[in-house]
Amino acid sequence: DAGVTQSPTHLIKTRGQQVTLRCSPKSGHDTVSWYQQALGQGPQFIFQYYEEEERQRGNFPDRFSGHQFPNYSSELNVNALLLGDSALYLCASSLGSGGNQPQHFGDGTRLSIL
Amino acid sequence: EDQVTQSPEALRLQEGESSSLNCSYTVSGLRGLFWYRQDPGKGPEFLFTLYSAGEEKEKERLKATLTKKESFLHITAPKPEDSATYLCAVQAFTTNAGKSTFGDGTTLTVKP
Repeated sequence: DAGVTQSPTHLIKTRGQQVTLRCSPKSGHDTVSWYQQALGQGPQFIFQYYEEEERQRGNFPDRFSGHQFPNYSSELNVNALLLGDSALYLCASSLGSGGNQPQHFGDGTRLSIL
Repeated sequence: EDQVTQSPEALRLQEGESSSLNCSYTVSGLRGLFWYRQDPGKGPEFLFTLYSAGEEKEKERLKATLTKKESFLHITAPKPEDSATYLCAVQAFTTNAGKSTFGDGTTLTVKP
């Protein structure tokens, strides 16, 4: 049973560049959420995708955008990168946008901004 | 705004020395409280979900409990392989499921 997979595992960019991170959810899951985790802190919610639409969003600027494809996989795009965007980006999947389902996380993409 | 505070930030135990981790929360209607384990360089691994005060869940040496204001993760006779960061998160009824508010975690180190 394949879990949540993310790519790439590591990425180095410079300020002002744009980046795209990818996520395939756990088999059977249809909802994808993205989180940003700074070093020594807990994950912070960026946004959630269900039925190819952004369903809710955390306190992140419009530079952060996403997409969900018909096969439930998802992309996170970040434009005009800032030094403060350096973090571990986590994708989590679950079944349905309602209910009490636990989220299953991938191992993340480590993004470093120079 | 939903808030989660975990204590202590770090905990060092000897193998076999039992202890508890605390998660205090404020949320506008608790949908669920979740415990995760995170190893260095890895994503969080789901451990437990608790839904209502008085509920308890157990898994091997771990036991999670829930009150109306806090949750405890009790670790009985820990082993070195229990060393990890333990994260607590809440979801509220006022938002769709999937938006979790996390604490900053407790980093547990178990020495042999």
